[in-house]
Amino acid sequence: DGGITQSPKYLFRKEGQNVTLSCEQNLNHDAMYWYRQDPGQGLRLIYYSQIVNDFQKGDIAEGYSVSREKKESFPLTVTSAQKNPTAFYLCASKTGVSNSPLHFGNGTRLTVT
Amino acid sequence: AQKVTQAQTEISVVEKEDVTLDCVYETRDTTYYLFWYKQPPSGELVFLIRRNSFDEQNEISGRYSWNFQKSTSSFNFTITASQVVDSAVYFCALSEVQRGGSYIPTFGRGTSLIVHP
Repeated sequence: DGGITQSPKYLFRKEGQNVTLSCEQNLNHDAMYWYRQDPGQGLRLIYYSQIVNDFQKGDIAEGYSVSREKKESFPLTVTSAQKNPTAFYLCASKTGVSNSPLHFGNGTRLTVT
Repeated sequence: AQKVTQAQTEISVVEKEDVTLDCVYETRDTTYYLFWYKQPPSGELVFLIRRNSFDEQNEISGRYSWNFQKSTSSFNFTITASQVVDSAVYFCALSEVQRGGSYIPTFGRGTSLIVHP
């Protein structure tokens, strides 16, 4: 079955360490997105990519980095520069059609202590 | 200012009650898209419905119905005869064109619906 896979589901890191969250999709979607979810804040856009080898900053990109070397993959690195990294991270993808909906992964809950 | 406002943070109802989740949006574009997503406790957001700005026809799907009114910039979601399985966080989203021609969804803060048996 086609879908988006995020791994791991739970991730624990010490403060000061970089950590990479995985996102893989087999839906043949062109666009991929990373959102951060905090209680009461809704979903906030971190980075997005419309095509391979291209990506754009979202509303809260500081302290994060991404790459898009393959159509299927859009990993997110949470760097030590991110002041409040503990959150629930959601990856999503969609086709290139403007009004197509997002397909989401199951999310990764990152806890940094 | 928020582009998508979901004023109801949490709603608690008893099974079989009807419930309406409000969504108010703000945009200057004439072409835009509105969405509702459901996030159950498992965490994955599930797409429920999409509306194009030029189509104000309301829609009903089983116990779910949506009321889109451009005059009030609202896209409200009603669940009739709610069930425990409807308990989830519901997000309204607005997709409008950004620089480069991409449509990027912006989400509201979500409404947590709790349906008690």
